[in-house]
Amino acid sequence: DAKTTQPPSMDCAEGRAANLPCNHSTISGNEYVYWYRQIHSQGPQYIIHGLKNNETNEMASLIITEDRKSSTLILPHATLRDTAVYYCIVRATFGNEKLTFGTGTRLTIIP
Amino acid sequence: NAGVTQTPKFQVLKTGQSMTLQCAQDMNHEYMSWYRQDPGMGLRLIHYSVGAGITDQGEVPNGYNVSRSTTEDFPLRLLSAAPSQTSVYFCASSPQDQETQYFGPGTRLLVL
Repeated sequence: DAKTTQPPSMDCAEGRAANLPCNHSTISGNEYVYWYRQIHSQGPQYIIHGLKNNETNEMASLIITEDRKSSTLILPHATLRDTAVYYCIVRATFGNEKLTFGTGTRLTIIP
Repeated sequence: NAGVTQTPKFQVLKTGQSMTLQCAQDMNHEYMSWYRQDPGMGLRLIHYSVGAGITDQGEVPNGYNVSRSTTEDFPLRLLSAAPSQTSVYFCASSPQDQETQYFGPGTRLLVL
C-alpha cells in the first residue's frame, strides 16, 4: 500500500507560490516527511524534510499538520526552472528503511 | 566535490550481452544505492549498500549484481541483458544517517 497520496499534476503561474499537497494518513511516530523533485531527465534532488515542526530552507517551506496526516510543500516564488515532478516520501531515518518513490506530482509553471 | 558520477550516460546493448554501470562518489558516504526508473513511473530500488563489503537486495534485484569493494565505488552489473531492463538507472549516495540522498545524472540503457 502506498504511504503517500499526491495529485498527479498541478499548474502554477510564474512568480506565484506553488503549494503541493501530500496525504500520509498512516504515518507513524518515527517517520519523517521528505520531499524530492526530479527535473526532466535528471536525477532526483533533495528539497526538504521534517518530523512535526514546520521547516524552511533556501528552496522551500514544509508545513506539516498537527496530526501529521498531511503536509504541504511551498515554493514561495515559483520560476520556470521549478517545473518538475515532486515526490513526497515518508520514512524513518534509523535502520535501513529505504526511500520509496511513488509517481509524484508533475508541477508545471506557466509563464 | 564532483558528487555522484555515473558512466556511461547512454548505452545500447543486444539481448544477452553483459555490461557494468559505473557509479562513484567523492563525499565519503557510507550508503549507496541503485534505482531504475521506467517511463511514467517512480524510482524502484534495485540494490543498496550500507558500507564497503556489505550489499543487500532492494525491490527489483533480479538480473542485477553489485559489489562494494571501496567506499567510493558501487558498480551495477547486468550479466545477461534483457529488453525488460531497458530503463534509466540512477545511483545515489548518502551519509550514514541517510537523511538526504544525492543522486547521479543517470544512465540510459536500451536493450534490443
